[in-house]
Amino acid sequence: AQSVTQLDSQVPVFEEAPVELRCNYSSSVSVYLFWYVQYPNQGLQLLLKYLSGSTLVKGINGFEAEFNKSQTSFHLRKPSVHISDTAEYFCAVRASGTYKYIFGTGTRLKVLA
Amino acid sequence: NAGVTQTPKFRILKIGQSMTLQCTQDMNHNYMYWYRQDPGMGLKLIYYSVGAGITDKGEVPNGYNVSRSTTEDFPLRLELAAPSQTSVYFCASSLTSGATGELFFGEGSRLTVL
Repeated sequence: AQSVTQLDSQVPVFEEAPVELRCNYSSSVSVYLFWYVQYPNQGLQLLLKYLSGSTLVKGINGFEAEFNKSQTSFHLRKPSVHISDTAEYFCAVRASGTYKYIFGTGTRLKVLA
Repeated sequence: NAGVTQTPKFRILKIGQSMTLQCTQDMNHNYMYWYRQDPGMGLKLIYYSVGAGITDKGEVPNGYNVSRSTTEDFPLRLELAAPSQTSVYFCASSLTSGATGELFFGEGSRLTVL
């Protein structure tokens, strides 16, 4: 079975500072990895995804993530955050050959002025 | 582009009542999913479907039922509502488990059971 761990439930950061949101996964087979963002009272939107190929993935709104197979991690980064990035961020995994997407518990990013 | 549409957006139920959360998508997606979101718990998969007539249990199926008679619709039924089912429910769909694998979400249905 697959699992996803987001160790940080909340991350406060000042505007224009860099941020890293951590995601670790567990799986005995190859996986596809996703980051989603949820703004208040809305559904989830895809930020970026890793399916195969280059381990550095760039997404929308200046976010990027790096797939590290040896450390089973897929951390999300942004070099300079804006107030508008305040939201909840979810890491998700889907094992190759399956249809289930398993989500982490989420990290609430709060950008401070 | 409607995408994934969920109704109702809000509902209050009494313990023991039944209701159906509706979900429809107009993207001709094969795969559809129901998740529940509780504070600090992330999203938990309730049921999913890989096509019309085919459904399967997710992580937390107890107390729920689903059906998939058409490609577009995937309703979620609560037969005997309990306070533990107070949550925000999200329906999602995906074209295929292959090339893109991206989930498209509805805006959610907030259910309160009193």
